[in-house]
Amino acid sequence: SQQGEEDPQALSIQEGENATMNCSYKTSINNLQWYRQNSGRGLVHLILIRSNEREKHSGRLRVTLDTSKKSSSLLITASRAADTASYFCATADQGAQKLVFGQGTRLTINP
Amino acid sequence: EAQVTQNPRYLITVTGKKLTVTCSQNMNHEYMSWYRQDPGLGLRQIYYSMNVEVTDKGDVPEGYKVSRKEKRNFPLILESPSPNQTSLYFCASSLGGFSEAFFGQGTRLTVV
Repeated sequence: SQQGEEDPQALSIQEGENATMNCSYKTSINNLQWYRQNSGRGLVHLILIRSNEREKHSGRLRVTLDTSKKSSSLLITASRAADTASYFCATADQGAQKLVFGQGTRLTINP
Repeated sequence: EAQVTQNPRYLITVTGKKLTVTCSQNMNHEYMSWYRQDPGLGLRQIYYSMNVEVTDKGDVPEGYKVSRKEKRNFPLILESPSPNQTSLYFCASSLGGFSEAFFGQGTRLTVV
């Protein structure tokens, strides 16, 4: 099935810098979600943006959605060591009762 | 506390020996699903259930079975495990297929 593609696959930055991850997808969506996964543990939901929304904020997270380009970005501002994790986008495809996950971006925050 | 509980967390088994991974949620969610996570392949859906007694195949259902006799439980059954089913497995629940998903902590399965 169609998957979101995250870019970059891996990102390493210094603590305090901003981290930006991108997600592209191929189908029409109902919403797009971002999740975080710490080293082999369960995924944790971060934020959901609906197809009629363009931008959403949650604490240090900012998500944008461009349905014309079929892409989304996740910005983490003022990064901390605890933000080190893998980040996944998941699309809720129209007509399919399921989430489809990308392969993730592995983010490393260096102290 | 809202949670999805999987057991066991780790399992090493031999080829052909039937096993069951349990999953239970306490949020009264109607939708539950199983994923496997493999390096370079991301999360792939195995089976999902939209309600009690309603299950359907995901993207990689071969070699797996599920049942949904109660709303809170959604066990994953491997009738005859093979080494290519060595993977990290996650159960998830949500209000619906489009909703925020809550994940269990994962079951790392090794089939030798």
